[in-house]
Amino acid sequence: GAVVSQHPSWVICKSGTSVKIECRSLDFQATTMFWYRQFPKQSLMLMATSNEGSKATYEQGVEKDKFLINHASLTLSTLTVTSAHPEDSSFYICSAPSGGHTDTQYFGPGTRLTVL
Amino acid sequence: GQQLNQSPQSMFIQEGEDVSMNCTSSSIFNTWLWYKQDPGEGPVLLIALYKAGELTSNGRLTAQFGITRKDSFLNISASIPSDVGIYFCAGRTSGSRLTFGEGTQLTVNP
Repeated sequence: GAVVSQHPSWVICKSGTSVKIECRSLDFQATTMFWYRQFPKQSLMLMATSNEGSKATYEQGVEKDKFLINHASLTLSTLTVTSAHPEDSSFYICSAPSGGHTDTQYFGPGTRLTVL
Repeated sequence: GQQLNQSPQSMFIQEGEDVSMNCTSSSIFNTWLWYKQDPGEGPVLLIALYKAGELTSNGRLTAQFGITRKDSFLNISASIPSDVGIYFCAGRTSGSRLTFGEGTQLTVNP
């Protein structure tokens, strides 16, 4: 299947700092990517849809100024958690529809964010 | 919004047993996807279903797209210890956006 990578795989930061997470589609192009967060023992919660060349679409209750999304190319989307606080600690996962069939989404390996 | 009811929430089985889990929805979906997630990893696609009534296998896994388009099941035959993990169903109506079930935590005792 299609391959999606994320970097970093884990990050620990101090409260008040900003953290950038990258999501790359390695063997296909993705005009759309999705960002999720997942708390322990819970399902994936969609945060926003990243659109190449245009503004991201945020889900209700997700602060767009808090979670900045940039989709600068057809293979890269970034999520920046600004002024991170301990409650932002979570597992962040991106996904992208594959080029072969737009109905099938492939997920990155996730990024574990811990804010001290 | 759309919701998927996934059951059971957890299962504890012996190695070699068969497993069945399902998802139901009040809404119609055009695509059903089944994923497995290991601890600290992203979900990995197991099976994708695109047509009502479709029955698809992937090794010991079999999944079906319900004829009403409101449900799907996943069966695992002859379970092995590496089947341990969380299994998620996901449904799609239009566009690429997915709705996820709450997950089924599977534990396989050797």
